[in-house]
Amino acid sequence: EPEVTQTPSHQVTQMGQEVILRCVPISNHLYFYWYRQILGQKVEFLVSFYNNEISEKSEIFDDQFSVERPDGSNFTLKIRSTKLEDSAMYFCATTRDGVPTGELFFGEGSRLTVL
Amino acid sequence: GEDVEQSLFLSVREGDSSVINCTYTDSSSTYLYWYKQEPGAGLQLLTYIFSNMDMKQDQRLTVLLNKKDKHLSLRIADTQTGDSAIYFCAEKDPGGGNKLTFGTGTQLKVEL
Repeated sequence: EPEVTQTPSHQVTQMGQEVILRCVPISNHLYFYWYRQILGQKVEFLVSFYNNEISEKSEIFDDQFSVERPDGSNFTLKIRSTKLEDSAMYFCATTRDGVPTGELFFGEGSRLTVL
Repeated sequence: GEDVEQSLFLSVREGDSSVINCTYTDSSSTYLYWYKQEPGAGLQLLTYIFSNMDMKQDQRLTVLLNKKDKHLSLRIADTQTGDSAIYFCAEKDPGGGNKLTFGTGTQLKVEL
């Protein structure tokens, strides 16, 4: 069964460092998303990406965050200068047809720990 | 904005039914979802319902929607140890966007 894969599974970084989280979407999917979950809190929407541009972003997704699909396969989330409060599990999700009825396929998540 | 609330924990015995509850705030027509997260895995879509429906059944899963009270529930019949996981309720942005608003998740523990 096709799946969304994310790397790394866990990254520990120092505050102020740049982090890039990578996602390989299912091959015929067109819509890409990043969500995050701070420990013990809700899963929060960060950004959606379609046709090589951001289609929607949340208040969390400030200038420190960026997304791109540099080579037509990987979908990346970059955090320019990490803060302690960026520590969370980051989930990539993709869908072929978009919500509502297009199923969102989630990756296993990348756990980011900022020290 | 949308807000989705769930209780944090539920413990049931194997073979019993589990009922996981969720409340949401937006009264606009929209889609509501149940996702399951097993340890170390991503979120997996279990089922969804449109807000003009009252009920949807899929094998052991029954979704009930009370639109007046903005209350959604997921009933799992004959709960098995393999059903132990975190269950997330989510609501699609009724404003036409593609984002989902999730609850905190309910941790279901199935005991023998």
